[in-house]
Amino acid sequence: QLGVTQSPSASAALGASVKLTCTLSSGHSTYAIAWHQQQPEKGPRYLMKVNSDGSHNKGDGIPDRFSGSSSGAERYLTISSLQSEDEADYYCQTWGTGFYVFGTGTKVTVL
Amino acid sequence: EVQLLESGGGLVQPGGSLRLSCAVSGFTFSASAMSWVRQAPGKGLEWVSAISGSGGATFYAVSVKGRFTVSRDNSRSTLFLQMNSLIAEDTAIYYCARSYASGLYHFDQWGQGTLVTVSS
Repeated sequence: QLGVTQSPSASAALGASVKLTCTLSSGHSTYAIAWHQQQPEKGPRYLMKVNSDGSHNKGDGIPDRFSGSSSGAERYLTISSLQSEDEADYYCQTWGTGFYVFGTGTKVTVL
Repeated sequence: EVQLLESGGGLVQPGGSLRLSCAVSGFTFSASAMSWVRQAPGKGLEWVSAISGSGGATFYAVSVKGRFTVSRDNSRSTLFLQMNSLIAEDTAIYYCARSYASGLYHFDQWGQGTLVTVSS
């Protein structure tokens, strides 16, 4: 069954980097995923789609310090030069024929 | 500028009904599949329902199938969600989201949400 798994939390210092992981369920390592950011008390915002080959397509206005990559069944979101406004929940999303699945989200804390 | 604006949320009693709307602008509405996603208080995102760009295909999460109906009016660039037989577990902020294309792909635009509270 198609699903995605995320760690519940991550943290890094202001100006440092953090790498978030989204793991696809067994047998689904070729699926693409999308990353979405949700800042406190706001609606979600699309960041990027990450393909199985590591290529990614960012949304409009997403800063260069956000990047995506892949390895096997894992899809990554790396945030470089962490800013205070990057403190948010990050959700990965994948999709199948007729349905969507979200991960449980990773809460990023900027120290 | 792409905009998605939800409306229609509010307080409703268990067993009641509510109709949500999502008015969009800034893109060719019929060229994109659309979805509803909800977020219960303090919880994560849950996909609820999707509809193809033409409106000819609809899809539902198991938790709402048979109770919710998604539809769209491409002439008015508006997405709808008819919610019947509401239960407390349906309490959430409901977001509309645009699919990258006319079929089911990743979401690339989101609305700001409308709050639905099911309580007596």
